[in-house]
Parts: sequence; structure tokens; C-alpha cells
Amino acid sequence: GQQVMQIPQYQHVQEGEDFTTYCNSSTTLSNIQWYKQRPGGHPVFLIQLVKSGEVKKQKRLTFQFGEAKKNSSLHITATQTTDVGTYFCAGLSGTYKYIFGTGTRLKVLA
Amino acid sequence: KAGVTQTPRYLIKTRGQQVTLSCSPISGHRSVSWYQQTPGQGLQFLFEYFSETQRNKGNFPGRFSGRQFSNSRSEMNVSTLELGDSALYLCASSQGASNSPLHFGNGTRLTVT
Repeated sequence: GQQVMQIPQYQHVQEGEDFTTYCNSSTTLSNIQWYKQRPGGHPVFLIQLVKSGEVKKQKRLTFQFGEAKKNSSLHITATQTTDVGTYFCAGLSGTYKYIFGTGTRLKVLA
Repeated sequence: KAGVTQTPRYLIKTRGQQVTLSCSPISGHRSVSWYQQTPGQGLQFLFEYFSETQRNKGNFPGRFSGRQFSNSRSEMNVSTLELGDSALYLCASSQGASNSPLHFGNGTRLTVT
């Protein structure tokens, strides 16, 4: 079946450093969504990418969707302690069914 | 607007028992999806309901079932519980279009002993 992998699994950074997580699907995706889950919390929707090669920014966060629509990335510039959490990508498999990536857990050291 | 509500927050059950989890979606949302979250497997899709119909199903055994009521509230049932069913069960509601964002509840933490 379809798989969505994310790397790295864990990332520890010093506050102020940049962070990137990569998402790779075994099949072409119709769109991709990104979620953030704080420790002890639930996933919260961040953004959706639909077009091939699309780039979107939210303040310090930059999201990209690959040209082949099989991969995506999330880049955080100058991390802050509030960025701590697990970041998931979720790819649309067929219709109405999102397959979540394995997640990248980010720790930010002050 | 109230968020997605899941009850109960915590459950402890014994192997072989069955359990029912409840999810009330955001008002106006007609789609409810269920996910199982475990440290080793991440978020695994269970099933999705829209207007009382199951539109999609994940790769879980038949012990896992669900339903949706006319008010969009949904329940998930797990029969003959196994130790491996211990997990956080998350419900997410959306407006139902394929590009609709998912709004998650706080989850039900199920422990099977």
C-alpha cells in the first residue's frame, strides 16, 4: 500500500538554528497537508499544498511541494522554543483518505 | 465554535473486552475520520464517515468498526481487545471535501491490560 516516509525521525537543534523535515511518498499525491502536534496535544493543521512545485510561507515556516508531487518539505528558519513538537505531512490517497507520514520530532534547546 | 470532542479521555480495559469511543465533530462538519496513534506506527487511518456512510477504510481487522449518526456524531468500537490495541485514538472532523483540513480532537487514550 501507499507509504509516506519522513526524515529525520528526530531532530535536536539549538534555538536560532534552522530545521528541515522531508516527506516522501511512494505514489503521486493529489495534495499534501502539514500538521504540528505539540507534546501531549493533538495534530493541528498548518497548511495545504496542491500544485506541483508550489511554495508557501507562514512567517518563519516555508513549505514546498515537489515537481513530481511525490515529496514535500517544511523548513523553519531561526527555530524558537515554541516550535517544539512533531511535524507530520499527510498525503491524499485517492479521495477522502489522508495517509500520514511517520513524523519528525523537533526539540529546540534554549 | 466548539472544537472536536472525544469521550472518554482515558480508558483502561482488559484483554477480550470491547470498548466504544465517541466523537462529536465541529458543528457543520459532516466528515469524521478515525486514526490510531502509537509511538512505533505513527498515525494510522482507521476509517472515514460522511453523512452516515463509510467512504474509506484502512487496513485494520474487522474487530475495529465504526458508525456515524444523523447528527454527524461518530462512534468507534473495538471488540475482543488485544494488548496491541493500546494507543491514542484520534478523531478528526472536516467539511468533507477531499481538500478539507482535518480538525482533531484531544483523543482517547486506551490502555489494554
